[in-house]
Amino acid sequence: KQEVTQIPAALSVPEGENLVLNCSFTDSAIYNLQWFRQDPGKGLTSLLLIQSSQREQTSGRLNASLDKSSGRSTLYIAASQPGDSATYLCAVQYNFNKFYFGSGTKLNVKP
Amino acid sequence: GAVVSQHPSRVICKSGTSVKIECRSLDFQATTMFWYRQFPKQSLMLMATSNEGSKATYEQGVEKDKFLINHASLTLSTLTVTSAHPEDSSFYICSARVRTVTGSQETQYFGPGTRLLVL
Repeated sequence: KQEVTQIPAALSVPEGENLVLNCSFTDSAIYNLQWFRQDPGKGLTSLLLIQSSQREQTSGRLNASLDKSSGRSTLYIAASQPGDSATYLCAVQYNFNKFYFGSGTKLNVKP
Repeated sequence: GAVVSQHPSRVICKSGTSVKIECRSLDFQATTMFWYRQFPKQSLMLMATSNEGSKATYEQGVEKDKFLINHASLTLSTLTVTSAHPEDSSFYICSARVRTVTGSQETQYFGPGTRLLVL
C-alpha cells in the first residue's frame, strides 16, 4: 500500500529563517513527486515537480530533492517570508493517473 | 499556465438534496479529469477518474451511485453528490490532465476547490 507521510505536521518560524519540510513514501517505484502549496480554503498551486530520474529541482527560493532509494523528499525554503505561510503538500505519482498525497505541513512564518 | 475552474466555490445545502459541482478546463482540452475530496486536517484522496465520453472509474470505498460523475466534453466534468448528508461535507477539488504538444509529458492542473456544507 502506497503511503505518503509528511513531517512535521506544523511548523512556525521567524521571518528570514531557512527551513526544511520532509516527505517520505513507502513505495520507491515512483513516476514523479510533486510539491504543492495550499492556501486556506483554496486549491493547489504546483511548486516543484521532480521526475523519477531527477535528484532535485529548484525554483527561486525553493529547492526540492528526491532520494528514491530511501523513499524521501525534502523541500527547502530559503529566507522564509510571511507570504510563504500556507500548507505544503507532497504528492507522489506511480502512474499517469493517481496522486498519493501526504497530509501536509502547515507553515507559519512570523513577521 | 493552464487554468482549471470550479463552480460553485462554496455551497450550503440541506440534508437529502443533490448538489452539482462543475469543473472546467478553461484554455486546454482535458481528456481526463480527476475528483478529489479533502476532509479537515486530512490528505486529499482521489475519488474517481473521469475520461471524456466514458464511465468514470471510482476508487475503492467511493459509492458510484452517490457521487455521479459526467465528463460530457473535453472541457467539462461534473460531480453530483446525490442525497447529500452531513458526512459528505468536505472540500472537493478537481484536476485536469493536459497532454503537451509532443505528447511526452502529462501534467495535472488543479481547480480551486468547492467547499460543501450539508446541514
